[in-house]
Amino acid sequence: DTGVSQDPRHKITKRGQNVTFRCDPISEHNRLYWYRQTLGQGPEFLTYFQNEAQLEKSRLLSDRFSAERPKGSFSTLEIQRTEQGDSAMYLCASSSFTVNTGELFFGEGSRLTVL
Amino acid sequence: DAKTTQPTSMDCAEGRAANLPCNHSTISGNEYVYWYRQIHSQGPQYIIHGLKNNETNEMASLIITEDRKSSTLILPHATLRDTAVYYCIVRVYNQGGKLIFGQGTELSVKP
Repeated sequence: DTGVSQDPRHKITKRGQNVTFRCDPISEHNRLYWYRQTLGQGPEFLTYFQNEAQLEKSRLLSDRFSAERPKGSFSTLEIQRTEQGDSAMYLCASSSFTVNTGELFFGEGSRLTVL
Repeated sequence: DAKTTQPTSMDCAEGRAANLPCNHSTISGNEYVYWYRQIHSQGPQYIIHGLKNNETNEMASLIITEDRKSSTLILPHATLRDTAVYYCIVRVYNQGGKLIFGQGTELSVKP
C-alpha cells in the first residue's frame, strides 16, 4: 500500500497523559498536513510542513501540541497533558509541491479518546 | 479563501443522478472550486476541481455557473457506496498550504 499511513489508528488515554501520533506520507510528497476532526464537523487545519519546515500553524495548535517532521519524511504530532476536549480524529495528508493540483491525499486517521 | 455554503443533507435514490449544490458568491478570479468527500470513518478523498469550465472525470462532473458564484457536483448514477459527506472548497490553485473544510453536505443514497 503506497498511500498515507497513520499510527496508531486508535488511542485511548487518561487525562493528563502524553500521546504521539505518527504519519508516513506518500514517499514522493514533500508537503504534509495535520488536521483534527470532531464528530459532525469538517476537518480543521492544524499545521503543515514543506519538507522539514513547518510553514503554517493554526491558532488551534495550542502550546500542548507540537508537530515535527525532522527529515522531511514522516511526521509526528504530540499532545502533552491531554484533556477531554482533545478527543477527536487526527488526520494526516500529503501532497506534492511539483504537481500541486490542490489534491491532498489523506490517511485513515488516528482516533484519540481521552478519559 | 472564499467561503462556501452547502445544504446540510440530501437524499438520492440509488441509480439516479445526485446533484450537490454549492454557493461561493465571494470567489475571487484566481480561486478554484474543489470537491472532496468523506465516507464514514475514512479520510477525505479528492473528487474533482475546476476554475470556470465544466469538468468531468471518472467519478463526477463539476458544473460551474458563468458568474462562478455557484457550482454543482453531479454523481451521474449514485450507488449506496456514494453515501458520504461532500465538501465544496475554494482556494487559489498551486498556492500550497491548507484546504479549509466547511461542514459539507451529508448525502444519503437510498435503495
